[in-house]
Amino acid sequence: DAGVIQSPRHEVTEMGQEVTLRCKPISGHDYLFWYRQTMMRGLELLIYFNNNVPIDDSGMPEDRFSAKMPNASFSTLKIQPSEPRDSAVYFCASSPNRGGDTQYFGPGTRLTVL
Amino acid sequence: SQKIEQNSEALNIQEGKTATLTCNYTNYSPAYLQWYRQDPGRGPVFLLLIRENEKEKRKERLKVTFDTTLKQSLFHITASQPADSATYLCALSNQAGTALIFGKGTTLSVSS
Repeated sequence: DAGVIQSPRHEVTEMGQEVTLRCKPISGHDYLFWYRQTMMRGLELLIYFNNNVPIDDSGMPEDRFSAKMPNASFSTLKIQPSEPRDSAVYFCASSPNRGGDTQYFGPGTRLTVL
Repeated sequence: SQKIEQNSEALNIQEGKTATLTCNYTNYSPAYLQWYRQDPGRGPVFLLLIRENEKEKRKERLKVTFDTTLKQSLFHITASQPADSATYLCALSNQAGTALIFGKGTTLSVSS
């Protein structure tokens, strides 16, 4: 198995632009998580899905952030419009069958908003 | 509010010694506690999971303890090696098996 796949690995954009981050979870995993990591705040959970359904989006910072999971093998995290304070590393992770189980992380997308 | 503290931001030790990392939590009753390793530029990688009814777990040179009275977990790496240098993250989840809450991590440097 290739593990969790994220794209792009790096994204540089200008303030106000729309950014879309993509994730392919490990096949057969029922849970998918989106995290944001910064030096100041550490690793923060943004949203997670169970069987493609959003379960908890309380970590999504603002309405500018949205996430979808149209099928079991694909999820997107969109920021529109982007702001410099959104600069961070965004990780996607998947888990086999329970939220408290081991999570398998992707390599992350490093987002820089100028 | 729920809070996880990993006491040292950085820990420097010599090769061969035992590294001990601490994770304390407040306002939370976790059912599971996990430790992850993160190398620069990469995602966290799972190391060990310990349940609330377990006191200790071992895996090769790694040992985790979990004291729900003290609200603390200790993570030990025995016979440490330079390859153990990384950031180690503590993470908690509750009985319902919801998502993990992560600490900010401790960066371990092992010098030869």
